[in-house]
Amino acid sequence: GAGVSQSPSNKVTEKGKDVELRCDPISGHTALYWYRQSLGQGLEFLIYFQGNSAPDKSGLPSDRFSAERTGGSVSTLTIQRTQQEDSAVYLCASSQGLAMGEKLFFGSGTQLSVL
Amino acid sequence: ILNVEQSPQSLHVQEGDSTNFTCSFPSSNFYALHWYRWETAKSPEALFVMTLNGDEKKKGRISATLNTKEGYSYLYIKGSQPEDSATYLCASKRNQGAQKLVFGQGTRLTINP
Repeated sequence: GAGVSQSPSNKVTEKGKDVELRCDPISGHTALYWYRQSLGQGLEFLIYFQGNSAPDKSGLPSDRFSAERTGGSVSTLTIQRTQQEDSAVYLCASSQGLAMGEKLFFGSGTQLSVL
Repeated sequence: ILNVEQSPQSLHVQEGDSTNFTCSFPSSNFYALHWYRWETAKSPEALFVMTLNGDEKKKGRISATLNTKEGYSYLYIKGSQPEDSATYLCASKRNQGAQKLVFGQGTRLTINP
């Protein structure tokens, strides 16, 4: 597609349920990022994928969070046993890599609400 | 400064007025500074990527300056219009090898008609 696509745009779930968020990056972009913004907070880095390299998972807040990227393209962020503090906007971004001058292209996000 | 900090957190400006806000970032191991605009119900969109001390970039009525030695960047909007209402995010990339951007909390700008 022309831009980064995320689905669903909104997700309401009950505490304790699992959720899957999907990101379809721009074709040809080797780098893919997940960030989230909780109410009143800045964008928080979660995980980064670059080509076939091992992902940088240093931002995942707990072992309930996991992500995969299949075939170097689509990525899925999974949150198991959701908690109310997981409520946030989850943003996916892709780029050709953060070499000098490169910028991130963001999707429109998934608004996750955990009741 | 260890984190990226933006001020003010929110700002209300009359249409036609000019405004500016600040991003402070770690000056050590600096590599690049990004500015993004995030309008409600849309995707964050890149405004500028700045790498050189003293750099100034301009896009229409919006411009930005960069001081890497003291660790700050200013974003200026001249003659504010209602469509400028958005959250403005800055993000710092440290080290050439680092592959993640560290974002500030953003400045939420509202233009009053």
